[in-house]
Amino acid sequence: GAGVSQSPRYKVAKRGQDVALRCDPISGHVSLFWYQQALGQGPEFLTYFQNEAQLDKSGLPSDRFFAERPEGSVSTLKIQRTQQEDSAVYLCASAASPGTTYEQYFGPGTRLTVT
Amino acid sequence: QKEVEQNSGPLSVPEGAIASLNCTYSDRGSQSFFWYRQYSGKSPELIMFIYSNGDKEDGRFTAQLNKASQYVSLLIRDSQPSDSATYLCAVVPSNDYKLSFGAGTTVTVRA
Repeated sequence: GAGVSQSPRYKVAKRGQDVALRCDPISGHVSLFWYQQALGQGPEFLTYFQNEAQLDKSGLPSDRFFAERPEGSVSTLKIQRTQQEDSAVYLCASAASPGTTYEQYFGPGTRLTVT
Repeated sequence: QKEVEQNSGPLSVPEGAIASLNCTYSDRGSQSFFWYRQYSGKSPELIMFIYSNGDKEDGRFTAQLNKASQYVSLLIRDSQPSDSATYLCAVVPSNDYKLSFGAGTTVTVRA
């Protein structure tokens, strides 16, 4: 079946531009996560949705980062006024149910480069 | 102290040998443990999960969990060149749902 998809796969933005990254989770998955992965590091948590509710945004690095999932399926991560330190791979993951024992499956990621 | 620690490697093993990867975690109440494989330039792929103490085998992979020692490991038997990748250990801490990752161990299987 279809896995998690993300678009665009690659994005180059000039410093100060706004970007929007899209995630399509596995159909029917309730939980959706965004992670940020810097080169040579493991992914770091950004934010979590259960259906359309954003239950945790503690990992968002600044108020320039905003995420939404208005209908409980597709999610968008928006970064305003991008900075060079925002350059990273942004990963979306979904899980079938809320809770701690359900496996998260990752999309291919969006590699953001801010010049 | 990071929540999840892994040896960064690189770990080099000959083809056909056993690769042994280790991971320690700081939250004693953690309940769920995962191993992801990540090829260069690709996203993490879930290969094993374990929730109870002991061993769990799936094909050539065995995950081992020891909650008393706060230790989880991954064994790859009969290593193949296609196993060359970075292996990420991930833990869900107690009363949480998000994954906390180690930095990963890079494995190279030499033919």
